[in-house]
Amino acid sequence: DTAVSQTPKYLVTQMGNDKSIKCEQNLGHDTMYWYKQDSKKFLKIMFSYNNKELIINETVPNRFSPKSPDKAHLNLHINSLELGDSAVYFCASSQWGGGSGNTIYFGEGSWLTVV
Amino acid sequence: DQQVKQNSPSLSVQEGRISILNCDYTNSMFDYFLWYKKYPAEGPTFLISISSIKDKNEDGRFTVFLNKSAKHLSLHIVPSQPGDSAVYFCAASARSGGGADGLTFGKGTHLIIQP
Repeated sequence: DTAVSQTPKYLVTQMGNDKSIKCEQNLGHDTMYWYKQDSKKFLKIMFSYNNKELIINETVPNRFSPKSPDKAHLNLHINSLELGDSAVYFCASSQWGGGSGNTIYFGEGSWLTVV
Repeated sequence: DQQVKQNSPSLSVQEGRISILNCDYTNSMFDYFLWYKKYPAEGPTFLISISSIKDKNEDGRFTVFLNKSAKHLSLHIVPSQPGDSAVYFCAASARSGGGADGLTFGKGTHLIIQP
């Protein structure tokens, strides 16, 4: 009974392709996030959504487009994939105030390899 | 510009002894700090947190200490157990971010518990 689930877990694709990673949380949270862990192991926030509204958009290429159809889902679409996009992408969720007292829960990660 | 630094990439401790993981931060606006534990091929899981109004928080074998003047926090695990072998991430946030600002992570310390 996974709290934050993301699919696919592993994805190998060619440069130039468009791909999506899906995320769902069943915790009743109103805030969802996408984090990226690069080859240097830094875990950095990319986006956060609260009640389907974009709150944070860090310096991320506009080839990355998050979409939140409802509070329980935050999908990540990536267009024209580049080699440098290879990383582990973590979806996460919390109640509003995540990082300020409300715990942020992470999914298991999606390993994206661009060849 | 690393705002949260974990200067030890790895730490090896004997089973039963105390493990001490250190974390330094530079952003004086950070006022909430968390430790996450991560096993290979899994997402980070919340371990323990501390607010800037406290200098210590304890939960079972885990204790986090905060020294605001030094901008330093540490996680103590005692006694260390084999299942504690994992990567530990220090994370911080500023409540003034409004709540959905997510977390700023350190690079992680790989803790290895030796039998």
